[in-house]
Amino acid sequence: DQQVKQNSPSLSVQEGRISILNCDYTNSMFDYFLWYKKYPAEGPTFLISISSIKDKNEDGRFTVFLNKSAKHLSLHIVPSQPGDSAVYFCAATSPGATSGSRLTFGEGTQLTVNP
Amino acid sequence: DTGVSQDPRHKITKRGQNVTFRCDPISEHNRLYWYRQTLGQGPEFLTYFQNEAQLEKSRLLSDRFSAERPKGSFSTLEIQRTEQGDSAMYLCASHRETQYFGPGTRLLVL
Repeated sequence: DQQVKQNSPSLSVQEGRISILNCDYTNSMFDYFLWYKKYPAEGPTFLISISSIKDKNEDGRFTVFLNKSAKHLSLHIVPSQPGDSAVYFCAATSPGATSGSRLTFGEGTQLTVNP
Repeated sequence: DTGVSQDPRHKITKRGQNVTFRCDPISEHNRLYWYRQTLGQGPEFLTYFQNEAQLEKSRLLSDRFSAERPKGSFSTLEIQRTEQGDSAMYLCASHRETQYFGPGTRLLVL
């Protein structure tokens, strides 16, 4: 049962343009969402998060949007840079649950930013 | 560098052998998590510790797997009688508000 799903295995954009990565979830108990970036041979690196009480959170070039009714979130990167090329994982959790904030990850989207 | 270290970074072993991985979290973080990532998938939760107490284990963690966190500092993950299906990246994460991941240990079972 894939509770967090990233339907696009890959995305290719031109440098300077916007990258939009999408994520859907099914578990209504999730109330905190995160995006991680992963380079080959490294662990995931935290990028940005959003609580379910918000619908948008922005940090520099990165903005995460949350649509709770659609159980959908997206990560926007503007402008995209070649160094952004990596695998991006969407993750969800329920901090208040007895599960102790374990993260449930999507499958990942490989972003390639072309110069 | 997140401040979380894992050792070894790579391990090649033969089927049936035992392996042990170590994770050193960020020192003031009291929660520590283990995840497993296979090719083309996101990390999957295995287990987590609050200080030295192991509070939850995933169904993925068969009887061949055991994890410890003595004194609430570093943690070890042992796999006994390894199988080829155990080949994966094993990730450790240290938690304070957000989970910070180590570089992982890549295990290959031949």
